[in-house]
Amino acid sequence: DTGVSQDPRHKITKRGQNVTFRCDPISEHNRLYWYRQTLGQGPEFLTYFQNEAQLEKSRLLSDRFSAERPKGSFSTLEIQRTEQGDSAMYLCASSLAFEQFFGPGTRLTVL
Amino acid sequence: KQEVTQIPAALSVPEGENLVLNCSFTDSAIYNLQWFRQDPGKGLTSLLLIQSSQREQTSGRLNASLDKSSGRSTLYIAASQPGDSATYLCAVTWGGANSKLTFGKGITLSVRP
Repeated sequence: DTGVSQDPRHKITKRGQNVTFRCDPISEHNRLYWYRQTLGQGPEFLTYFQNEAQLEKSRLLSDRFSAERPKGSFSTLEIQRTEQGDSAMYLCASSLAFEQFFGPGTRLTVL
Repeated sequence: KQEVTQIPAALSVPEGENLVLNCSFTDSAIYNLQWFRQDPGKGLTSLLLIQSSQREQTSGRLNASLDKSSGRSTLYIAASQPGDSATYLCAVTWGGANSKLTFGKGITLSVRP
């Protein structure tokens, strides 16, 4: 059990560029979640997968955001045409039963 | 609206003090409640999870209690140490095992040597 991993850990981009983040859940965890956290706030839910099916999306997930989980293993979160308001920590979590386990996060800075 | 509140936003205590961190939530029909620790710039570490049928959970110097009827949970830290300095977040699931966590804003704890 190596824990949830996320890549990259830090990303700096210019406004208008596209970025993609990757999350590798704990092996055998069938549920995967994405959250976003801004400074001084608790994480906010973005989207959830059970295996490869995306079962819930937050209204925070605008049309510029897309998430996938092909084959029910790793997941990617893509942000198109980034805006300064997208600057945040993007956290991934996985679970098998009740408890969610989080990765170290990807810190996105949009200049 | 289902919300989680943590007050105060920050707390500073001398080393060795026993302390209590509070969490309140609207809608008592929770599924479970989880306490997390977050160090600056890092991800979240799960500390304790309490199922809705449970009243408390313990791990080492940490004890978390749950009172659904009053919409409250507390995290008790015994004999605090400087290494306990971090932000502590409370999160609630309402919809079942598959559901998302709804977080409070966290309490930033500083333990002075």
